[in-house]
Amino acid sequence: GQNIDQPTEMTATEGAIVQINCTYQTSGFNGLFWYQQHAGEAPTFLSYNVLDGLEEKGRFSSFLSRSKGYSYLLLKELQMKDSASYLCAVSNDYKLSFGAGTTVTVRA
Amino acid sequence: DTEVTQTPKHLVMGMTNKKSLKCEQHMGHRAMYWYKQKAKKPPELMFVYSYEKLSINESVPSRFSPECPNSSLLNLHLHALQPEDSALYLCASSQEGLAGKNEQFFGPGTRLTVL
Repeated sequence: GQNIDQPTEMTATEGAIVQINCTYQTSGFNGLFWYQQHAGEAPTFLSYNVLDGLEEKGRFSSFLSRSKGYSYLLLKELQMKDSASYLCAVSNDYKLSFGAGTTVTVRA
Repeated sequence: DTEVTQTPKHLVMGMTNKKSLKCEQHMGHRAMYWYKQKAKKPPELMFVYSYEKLSINESVPSRFSPECPNSSLLNLHLHALQPEDSALYLCASSQEGLAGKNEQFFGPGTRLTVL
């Protein structure tokens, strides 16, 4: 089975940094994805990690430790438009299994 | 073209109606997916098609019937739905339906309401 945990909600101030943690226990692992989803819209791809370490892409970075079953998404220089739900998803064979999502609220 | 399109955007249907959701992609992707998403919940996988063949059915009730007429199109036929089937239905595609990096591109979804 799949068990993917992430915090339900986080709040931060514009310009700040927020780190969203994700822990997983899955019966197979072919990579971990982070998606962003604004209310009422489709998820959009942010990052992919399959090897241990940090992947940086602009203001967003994602880290993976396979031995610990742990990942985080780091959002820097927060902007109001970053207010959204952030979904951690583990790839296993054909499937993406999603965590429940973390709602990030950015305040002025 | 890096888009997955879905029609209709919104659909309201009665429990005795028959309707279809449509999904299209022209990225040459060989895997296509249907997900169901309830409010404030993550997407739940329903079906996976790989090379136009049904690969995964996540024990979805038979009132949902998928169809893949060709590599670019994916349909979801709906019949005798229940009010609890009301949700956002997302279509996605990926380059290959294999293990490994399998970035899925999502369509905008169809918001379905069953009365």
